[in-house]
Amino acid sequence: DTEVTQTPKHLVMGMTNKKSLKCEQHMGHRAMYWYKQKAKKPPELMFVYSYEKLSINESVPSRFSPECPNSSLLNLHLHALQPEDSALYLCASSQEVQRRTYEQYFGPGTRLTVT
Amino acid sequence: ELKVEQNPLFLSMQEGKNYTIYCNYSTTSDRLYWYRQDPGKSLESLFVLLSNGAVKQEGRLMASLDTKARLSTLHITAAVHDLSATYFCAVDRAISAGGTSYGKLTFGQGTILTVHP
Repeated sequence: DTEVTQTPKHLVMGMTNKKSLKCEQHMGHRAMYWYKQKAKKPPELMFVYSYEKLSINESVPSRFSPECPNSSLLNLHLHALQPEDSALYLCASSQEVQRRTYEQYFGPGTRLTVT
Repeated sequence: ELKVEQNPLFLSMQEGKNYTIYCNYSTTSDRLYWYRQDPGKSLESLFVLLSNGAVKQEGRLMASLDTKARLSTLHITAAVHDLSATYFCAVDRAISAGGTSYGKLTFGQGTILTVHP
């Protein structure tokens, strides 16, 4: 299995809702990433997990809460989002060998709309 | 702070023509990637360039890397409509956290390519 999967593909949520995005990979990668991509802009890194531990948080607001329950799964919990958080959320994973990461493989993304 | 600049940002080409997209970056990097993105879709990896002078070709696309000039190019030969998409370069620069080096991707702004008949 050489792909990263993400669910759901589309999500519409109100500003008071709580929802979660899910990312899964079975390539044995130990580093996993969340990116946010606004329309007509490049992706921006949000979080990096390594061996199920949060390693990098790019100053993301606390209304985004990542979780890595096991080495194959990465979640992004959403709460009290704002309309400006509407974007394509991309998950990626990469090998981590001897404390170095390699090429990132991207999932298909979740298109999030906050109303 | 690493900056990555692509040009042009918009490219309208006729089928059959050749053109080059440029990607300049401001500091040394470990790797450089080119991605294609179709509207509403994820990133498709096109090329990974690892060292100075690297050249890779796939079909009508050819990518090169000059680390001394901090420049990568994506050359399109005899464009066809199917190549219409947004193309991103991304510079991979290692950042350290907890004793591990993570490849942080910094993307260029993207080049929106439209190929006309």
